[in-house]
Amino acid sequence: EVRLLDSGGGLVQPGGSLRLSCGASGFAITSYAMAWVRQAPGKGLEWVSTISGSGTKTYYGDSVKGRFTMSRDYSGNTVYLQMDSLRAEDAALYYCAKLASVPIFGVLIPSYFDYWGQGTRVTVSS
Amino acid sequence: SYELTQAPSVSVSPGQTARITCSGDALAKQNVYWYQQKPGQAPVMVMYQDTERPSGIPERFSGSSSGTVVTLTISGVQAEDEADYYCQSVDTSGTFYVFGTGTRVTV
Repeated sequence: EVRLLDSGGGLVQPGGSLRLSCGASGFAITSYAMAWVRQAPGKGLEWVSTISGSGTKTYYGDSVKGRFTMSRDYSGNTVYLQMDSLRAEDAALYYCAKLASVPIFGVLIPSYFDYWGQGTRVTVSS
Repeated sequence: SYELTQAPSVSVSPGQTARITCSGDALAKQNVYWYQQKPGQAPVMVMYQDTERPSGIPERFSGSSSGTVVTLTISGVQAEDEADYYCQSVDTSGTFYVFGTGTRVTV
């Protein structure tokens, strides 16, 4: 059974840092792209970042580019989101998600989020 | 980057049909995925590649696509279908993902 366990959220001051973790079980993260998606209180879903199955490529949304870093630990089957220079607008519930691929023009592209963690809450406040 | 637009809310009586649309210029070339999110829960996918229903999703959920507009239809809406619904797409290189603005379905 596929499971994702998000953790690491908490209260941090503006300008501070936080590292989120997502422990995966039931599959190997070496075979799938993984992502973080966030949801501010009362707001919609926002894609934050993706790491490729090989771990060699990372992609970020415009609102976090240059401040957040996604990485993975193969031995622990865990992905991380290092969040630096946090702002009030980064406050949200952060979900870890597994990506599923579909063929686009003959190439398998990670396209949709088929499994989600339960989310970990990040609060940014002084 | 690009945007996906959804109506903020749809209200429907039990047994009626709810239609939730997602529009965006890129949708003429890209697939759309639909997620259902109930309060306090993580999203669950209810439709993929515009018209395909995952296993376990009731047959009353269906999808269609026409040009730059993709529609999620819930036929014979039940009280348990009350939730927020989000469409989602990805660029053709798999480097940028976007969610629609979300539609709250009230039954």
